[in-house]
Amino acid sequence: SAVISQKPSRDICQRGTSLTIQCQVDSQVTMMFWYRQQPGQSLTLIATANQGSEATYESGFVIDKFPISRPNLTFSTLTVSNMSPEDSSIYLCSVVGRIGNTEAFFGQGTRLTVV
Amino acid sequence: KNQVEQSPQSLIILEGKNCTLQCNYTVSPFSNLRWYKQDTGRGPVSLTIMTFSENTKSNGRYTATLDADTKQSSLHITASQLSDSASYICVDGVRNTGFQKLVFGTGTRLLVSP
Repeated sequence: SAVISQKPSRDICQRGTSLTIQCQVDSQVTMMFWYRQQPGQSLTLIATANQGSEATYESGFVIDKFPISRPNLTFSTLTVSNMSPEDSSIYLCSVVGRIGNTEAFFGQGTRLTVV
Repeated sequence: KNQVEQSPQSLIILEGKNCTLQCNYTVSPFSNLRWYKQDTGRGPVSLTIMTFSENTKSNGRYTATLDADTKQSSLHITASQLSDSASYICVDGVRNTGFQKLVFGTGTRLLVSP
């Protein structure tokens, strides 16, 4: 199993500002992902954080709005830029150890409120 | 349209009772079907993972079934406890190049009442 530490756990931010969320894993993992969970909605994949290269973004998400870093196999950050109230959501980091029918582990999430 | 649909949206049961949650999926190419439990303010935690060749899988009081022909799955909770109060999310693992993509349902919110 993988233990994921995600922080901050919650934050209230002013519109127009940016917030960086950190995800630390207790072991080296191949794949790291960032999800958004809007109120009453399912988890939606924002992007795959690739170690040593640019993140791969899903349709509807762009690097300028959600820049991602992955400097090594145990750490990643997601920045929510130029925030608006529509960005209020829970953001979750997830990891899988290897390709195949394997466990996906999730951080506890960051509850973001933009005012 | 969400490719993983769950029912009911919410459910209240008395402690000690059993319940069954439903999931219909249309995602392809299918790789596996997962059930997760998400407590309020926490990330999802895996309960079961089933490939198309598996009909049932248990994890303690949780038993998941899968019918790959009808693309339906269910999660049965036996002898419910107060700690079972949470959202239960059905997730379809889609075969993809390079890594497996997960498609999440919106969840069933379960409240176990004393």
